[in-house]
Amino acid sequence: GVSQNPRHKITKRGQNVTFRCDPISEHNRLYWYRQTLGQGPEFLIYFQGTGAADDSGLPNDRFFAVRPEGSVSTLKIQRTERGDSAVYLCASSPQRNNEQFFGPGTRLTVL
Amino acid sequence: ILNVEQSPQSLHVQEGDSTNFTCSFPSSNFYALHWYRWETAKSPEALFVMTLNGDEKKKGRISATLNTKEGYSYLYIKGSQPEDSATYLCASPGGADGLTFGKGTHLIIQP
Repeated sequence: GVSQNPRHKITKRGQNVTFRCDPISEHNRLYWYRQTLGQGPEFLIYFQGTGAADDSGLPNDRFFAVRPEGSVSTLKIQRTERGDSAVYLCASSPQRNNEQFFGPGTRLTVL
Repeated sequence: ILNVEQSPQSLHVQEGDSTNFTCSFPSSNFYALHWYRWETAKSPEALFVMTLNGDEKKKGRISATLNTKEGYSYLYIKGSQPEDSATYLCASPGGADGLTFGKGTHLIIQP
């Protein structure tokens, strides 16, 4: 399945954080979402292979994601703010309109 | 902006009873409708991906129907069991590749 690390991250406001996603190996498509309390998951960015095909969901330039070899992806948040506290979910899929396979998420708490 | 809505927001059901809840989405430019089950501390799990108007899918005691002309889908659970307690999310890709999720229906099965 899809794995994510770390599962939990507590950080102080202003610090940088990095999250890792290991998708299902044969899946070309990789997605990042975040879920805040009381809301459904919100789309952040989508990769097809190594390239970011759609990054329209990234809230601002403090958020950055890469997938340099077309497999593992990392999501980085610089200068974290309290409003960044959320569960960050990664998913992968073989094709469009196929089900997306989700990891367990990384819960970020910004103090 | 694609608007996906779910109702009710939460639901308490007695063990053994059947239940259903609703997902509504824009009927124009429809691509697909996804249903996921998300149990606490676990990964969201895909239940169904539905693409055709009138589609009806079933997995064990859970089934779903789709009406793309009027923009709604129903999820049914027959003979609820405690292990059915979870948040049920529906999502649609619209014209993009990332999914737009509803806020979910939080289902609690009471023994």
